[in-house]
Amino acid sequence: TQLLEQSPQFLSIQEGENLTVYCNSSSVFSSLQWYRQEPGEGPVLLVTVVTGGEVKKLKRLTFQFGDARKDSSLHITAAQPGDTGLYLCAGAEVRGNKLVFGAGTILRVKS
Amino acid sequence: EAGVAQSPRYKIIEKRQSVAFWCNPISGHATLYWYQQILGQGPKLLIQFQNNGVVDDSQLPKDRFSAERLKGVDSTLKIQPAKLEDSAVYLCASSLQENTEAFFGQGTRLTVV
Repeated sequence: TQLLEQSPQFLSIQEGENLTVYCNSSSVFSSLQWYRQEPGEGPVLLVTVVTGGEVKKLKRLTFQFGDARKDSSLHITAAQPGDTGLYLCAGAEVRGNKLVFGAGTILRVKS
Repeated sequence: EAGVAQSPRYKIIEKRQSVAFWCNPISGHATLYWYQQILGQGPKLLIQFQNNGVVDDSQLPKDRFSAERLKGVDSTLKIQPAKLEDSAVYLCASSLQENTEAFFGQGTRLTVV
């Protein structure tokens, strides 16, 4: 099983600040997905990146897939309290068919 | 489009008791996943079905956990007997095909006392 490491584990910031969450692996993934999970709910897909070097923007969120398809980052600009939650990256294995999750980054945005 | 349905939402049992969770995936989704999520951690894959066949169950504690997906639609996950460390949220997810976007249910929060 390919491992995905997320950093940081916890992040507490003030409203309006910028932040970046990282997802790293030594293995190659065919695609990588970012999810956001709120307490008491299941994860909800934010974006899927497929091509090495790909950059996708979703309002204030920018997602990047590494050139080698081993790592990804999520950048949030001008964070808002509504961004608070658990951010998970998940990689689709190149060999095999599993969707493997990282441990997640807990983000808290204070107003 | 109806989402992934799971029941029950919450369950409290004593250790050594049995428990079963039910999942109804999105209609037409061939792939079904069961994940275990311990508080503060990311989801850990327990078992993955493609239609009614098992694709991966390498991390399923088979001495106490079992899962089935009869007719390739609904699925049940059973724990017998439960241990204290089984306390977690059990998430069911489905996707159209393997490695495509996974849609999650709200999960079942299990507390073993």
